[in-house]
Amino acid sequence: DAGVTQSPTHLIKTRGQHVTLRCSPISGHKSVSWYQQVLGQGPQFIFQYYEKEERGRGNFPDRFSARQFPNYSSELNVNALLLGDSALYLCASSSAPLNSYEQYFGPGTRLTVT
Amino acid sequence: RKEVEQDPGPFNVPEGATVAFNCTYSNSASQSFFWYRQDCRKEPKLLMSVYSSGNEDGRFTAQLNRASQYISLLIRDSKLSDSATYLCVSVESSYKLIFGSGTRLLVRP
Repeated sequence: DAGVTQSPTHLIKTRGQHVTLRCSPISGHKSVSWYQQVLGQGPQFIFQYYEKEERGRGNFPDRFSARQFPNYSSELNVNALLLGDSALYLCASSSAPLNSYEQYFGPGTRLTVT
Repeated sequence: RKEVEQDPGPFNVPEGATVAFNCTYSNSASQSFFWYRQDCRKEPKLLMSVYSSGNEDGRFTAQLNRASQYISLLIRDSKLSDSATYLCVSVESSYKLIFGSGTRLLVRP
């Protein structure tokens, strides 16, 4: 069975640009979460979506937005990129609606902002 | 104060050694805890859940001490393949995982 997939694998952008990252959850999983992992730190929670609705948001600026589609895949959008946005962006999926803490991570998208 | 704190290490141990990591959390309302393992430049992978009664999975044992708000992971008979970063996780709500910065383990031959 396919695990969580993310695209692209790597991305290089310039300050001020916009980026869209994509995630497909494990088949049958309806919940998707996004995390940012800066080098040397643990992942930081950005968003969680369940059944196309935002269930939670971390402490990130409004430049970060996301959505979930009817097939449960998800996009993370970041506008007006800053150098500090360079990080590994991880998507995680889970099956349980109320106890979505058993999360399975995709390989991530490594974003470099120059 | 960070919500979840870990000693960054690295812990450098010989094969066969027993090594233990601790992690402290600040939110006394946290109900669930996990250990994840992350290999270099890879995604985190769930290692095990942590229960008040303790949880053992082969060479790995996890413990939770609610009174002192810390979590531990014990690895017995270390293997070269155990070399990785171990992330302590507190569940703040039904969906939000709070990760520590990780403890790096190096197992040498």
